Amino acid sequence: GENVEQHPSTLSVQEGDSAVIKCTYSDSASNYFPWYKQELGKGPQLIIDIRSNVGEKKDQRIAVTLNKTAKHFSLHITETQPEDSAVYFCAASIGSGYSTLTFGKGTMLLVSP
Amino acid sequence: DSGVTQTPKHLITATGQRVTLRCSPRSGDLSVYWYQQSLDQGLQFLIHYYNGEERAKGNILERFSAQQFPDLHSELNLSSLELGDSALYFCASSALGQGASDTQYFGPGTRLTVL
Repeated sequence: GENVEQHPSTLSVQEGDSAVIKCTYSDSASNYFPWYKQELGKGPQLIIDIRSNVGEKKDQRIAVTLNKTAKHFSLHITETQPEDSAVYFCAASIGSGYSTLTFGKGTMLLVSP
Repeated sequence: DSGVTQTPKHLITATGQRVTLRCSPRSGDLSVYWYQQSLDQGLQFLIHYYNGEERAKGNILERFSAQQFPDLHSELNLSSLELGDSALYFCASSALGQGASDTQYFGPGTRLTVL
């Protein structure tokens, strides 16, 4: 089955810096890659996703890039703010039929004022 | 607020017991997914129901079972509980469930503690 590796496990940045979280996947048939943000005591919340027919997608301060050849995708957060502090999860799936999401182990992002 | 509700928020029970976790999907969503989140295993997919029918199974133990009712709410039943079953259990819902690329909205979770 699919295996998703996520790095780093923790990331500390200063407010205003950029943060990058990287994930690799094993199943070349995977074609849907969402990113979730989980704040303390809450459920994961989708923040951005990308499909394999697109190389990059942006939404304000958040961007995701996908390299299908290398089977890796990354989350980029620019101009980080303290409220960006949370655990971020990447996931991958074969987006057809009744396939399932496989999640990475998560990255705890801490943004210091 | 995602629109997905889960009850109870916290559950404390003893080994060997049985518990039922409940999930109500967002209005109009036909699919319900259950996940287990623990510190060492991360977010693990358990099972997916679409409009009352089981559609996919993940790493769900035989001691665990689920169902989705005609009103689309779902219940996850955990029996013969062990210490290692202590975890956060999340329910997610999506509109169609036609492939995991259908956006999944997560509930706030149920924290299960087995003593």
